Order: sequence, then structure tokens, then C-alpha cells
Amino acid sequence: AQKITQTQPGMFVQEKEAVTLDCTYDTSDPSYGLFWYKQPSSGEMIFLIYQGSYDQQNATEGRYSLNFQKARKSANLVISASQLGDSAMYFCAFQGRNTGFQKLVFGTGTRLLVSP
Amino acid sequence: EAGVTQFPSHSVIEKGQTVTLRCDPISGHDNLYWYRRVMGKEIKFLLHFVKESKQDESGMPNNRFLAERTGGTYSTLKVQPAELEDSGVYFCASSQDLLGGQNSPLHFGNGTRLTVT
Repeated sequence: AQKITQTQPGMFVQEKEAVTLDCTYDTSDPSYGLFWYKQPSSGEMIFLIYQGSYDQQNATEGRYSLNFQKARKSANLVISASQLGDSAMYFCAFQGRNTGFQKLVFGTGTRLLVSP
Repeated sequence: EAGVTQFPSHSVIEKGQTVTLRCDPISGHDNLYWYRRVMGKEIKFLLHFVKESKQDESGMPNNRFLAERTGGTYSTLKVQPAELEDSGVYFCASSQDLLGGQNSPLHFGNGTRLTVT
């Protein structure tokens, strides 16, 4: 079964600094996708960024970028120039053929706190 | 466009009672999913509808859980009778196309926090 690991239960960063949230996965799927979601205290899950296993370049969306290292099976989220509003839970999620492609397998999440 | 809406936002019930959670997906989204997060654990898949049909209900924990999507619009998730271990946050999500890629992520609701006492 696919497994997603987020080893950092909590992370602290100062405003305007960059932070990396770790995510590793374990799969034998040749084709898969990785998603990152943000969950602020209000509860909603907000889609941030996606990386496909065959994408040639690392995904970027504004201040979010994905450091995708396929051989190491890691898909770390990099947030540049952190803002106070970035304080939230962040979930990494995996989608692959062996999980039926239509379901996401989530990690346990990392709580990010941005301080002034 | 309006996002995925879930009702109620919170529910506190006693063990043995029945609770029904509702999800209204984004208009036009044929795909509707239920997930839940039990305290301190991962968010886990429960089931997937395409329109009114259940495509995958492999994540439903047991037969005390019943999901419906009559008419292919909103969905309900009923827990009957509720047990203590059912406490958690139940998320609904929808997507226009089948899940995949930057252009077709899941759009989640705010979740329903269920507490069974």
C-alpha cells in the first residue's frame, strides 16, 4: 500500500523567510501524482500545488514550489517569503494507479507557524 | 463560484444516535468524494460518487455508514448508530473531471466535526 510520510509535526519560520515542508512517499506505481493542501484554522482544505511523476520540471505556483526528487521519492513543499497567513496545517497527498487513481492518500500533516 | 459546502459544521451526538451529514458540491461537478480525519490520524478516503453512482466505497469503515447522492447533486452521509470511534472531521470534496493534475484537483469543503459522546 502507498504510504505518505510527513516527518515534521510542527515547523516554525519567521515572516519573509523561506520554509521547506518534507514529504516522502513509498510506491511501486510507475505513474502517480502528488498534491499539497493547506488547512487554515477555519477548516477548509485549500489546494496549493500538484506534481506529476512524469513532469519534467518541478511545479511552481506563486510562492509555492515543489522540490520533487523522484529517485529519493520525496516531494517537499517550499514556501518562499513566508507570510503570517501561511500559518496552517499542510498535507501532502498521493494519487496513483494502485490506489485507484480516484482516491488520495494523505500524510499526517505538518503544522506551520509563521512568526512576525 | 460557490465552493463545496457542508452542513452542519459541528455535530455532537450520543453513542447510539443517528447523524446525517450533508454535502453540496460545486455546481456541475460530477465527482463527489467523502473523506474523514479521525483525531491525530491521516485523512482517509471513504467513497467516491460519479453523479449518483458509487464508483468506489472501499473506504467505508462498516455498514453503519450509508452514503447517498440522489439525483447526482448533493450527498448525505448517515452514521447509524454512531459509535465513539466515529468522532472526527468528515470532509466532502468534488471535482469536475476525474481526479488528476493541476487542472483537476479536489475542491474540499470545510468539513463537519462530529463528536460522539
